[in-house]
Amino acid sequence: GAGVSQTPSNKVTEKGKYVELRCDPISGHTALYWYRQSLGQGPEFLIYFQGTGAADDSGLPNDRFFAVRPEGSVSTLKIQRTERGDSAVYLCASSLIGGGATEAFFGQGTRLTVV
Amino acid sequence: AQSVAQPEDQVNVAEGNPLTVKCTYSVSGNPYLFWYVQYPNRGLQFLLKYITGDNLVKGSYGFEAEFNKSQTSFHLKKPSALVSDSALYFCAVRDDSNYQLIWGAGTKLIIKP
Repeated sequence: GAGVSQTPSNKVTEKGKYVELRCDPISGHTALYWYRQSLGQGPEFLIYFQGTGAADDSGLPNDRFFAVRPEGSVSTLKIQRTERGDSAVYLCASSLIGGGATEAFFGQGTRLTVV
Repeated sequence: AQSVAQPEDQVNVAEGNPLTVKCTYSVSGNPYLFWYVQYPNRGLQFLLKYITGDNLVKGSYGFEAEFNKSQTSFHLKKPSALVSDSALYFCAVRDDSNYQLIWGAGTKLIIKP
């Protein structure tokens, strides 16, 4: 596609529910990143995929968070037993290759609100 | 540990004047430095990056940034500000052994007519 696409753009869920956030990266980009951004802060790294595998998941805050990228393209971030503190904008980015000097291209984000 | 500091929460500049948004960084290896801009209700957009070579890098929308190794800085600049430059600007860094980008907290740039 022309850019990174994230769905939904907004998600309101009740505390304790399960949510899935979807990211469709730029076609041909092998690297995919998930970040989380809270109000007034810069993005916080969650997980990095190179192809289908999670090359670095050190940013996932706890085991309620999980992400997959089964075919090396679309990725889904899954959050179990949501808490109010999970409320944030979840950003997905992709790049041609991972790391180094390669810039990443971001989607518009999914604003998650846990009530 | 890697870190990025953007010391100004907000920068106010009159239209037509030069602007500078400051960024300092700390990494253990060779730094790769990036500037992104975020407009309201829109995603982060890449502006420019420093890899190696010339310390002055030019990017989108007339922006440029100067890498200073001794001061570990990568300040964003533009010779003549436009009202449409008003947005949130983020500096980010990674070194050559990491995939993660480490981000500053952002600087809100306000350009007044």
